Amino acid sequence: IAGITQAPTSQILAAGRRMTLRCTQDMRHNAMYWYRQDLGLGLRLIHYSNTAGTTGKGEVPDGYSVSRANTDDFPLTLASAVPSQTSVYFCASSHTSGYNEQFFGPGTRLTVL
Amino acid sequence: GENVEQHPSTLSVQEGDSAVIKCTYSDSASNYFPWYKQELGKRPQLIIDIRSNVGEKKDQRIAVTLNKTAKHFSLHITETQPEDSAVYFCAASSANTGNQFYFGTGTSLTVIP
Repeated sequence: IAGITQAPTSQILAAGRRMTLRCTQDMRHNAMYWYRQDLGLGLRLIHYSNTAGTTGKGEVPDGYSVSRANTDDFPLTLASAVPSQTSVYFCASSHTSGYNEQFFGPGTRLTVL
Repeated sequence: GENVEQHPSTLSVQEGDSAVIKCTYSDSASNYFPWYKQELGKRPQLIIDIRSNVGEKKDQRIAVTLNKTAKHFSLHITETQPEDSAVYFCAASSANTGNQFYFGTGTSLTVIP
């Protein structure tokens, strides 16, 4: 692995189903983030983790949960998907939070029907 | 929390002309301002950033200016080229919001050959 990866690349999901988006980085970054990108709304932070074992809520956390069991992985779970969660999801990481470049993954395009 | 506004939402320029994108922010404690470029279907990538202790930063054809008093910052691209065509996002980060990034809604720049 080089950098930050996400899986799946895309997914179509029935409303009410549970879904976990995966994110893995091999840069030993302490901080990781999940954003959703919607046309006209830019990138909005869902959840973040400043270090393994800790997580925090961003701008739009409702309907999503995260965990950070180790440095490398930061999965995002939709417990019961709804159509308004149709979006492109980007995972990102940085050495630490604050004055640091965030490196983005390739994104997951999720459609909830 | 922080509110970042970005203008214009779309911008078309002739190749060789300059392009200027402007952002305003609401939290006077914001102290880090990155700019990201996102090509169609790709992930956002950092192109330049500025900290609150400087008023201007330049990197070849790209420059960013910051006016802390007015709480606005701008991206300047000179001698534009077709490969500059992309969506550009500004962001602001403040200790008041846990050093997380708040992004503007994006500017779609088209450089006409």
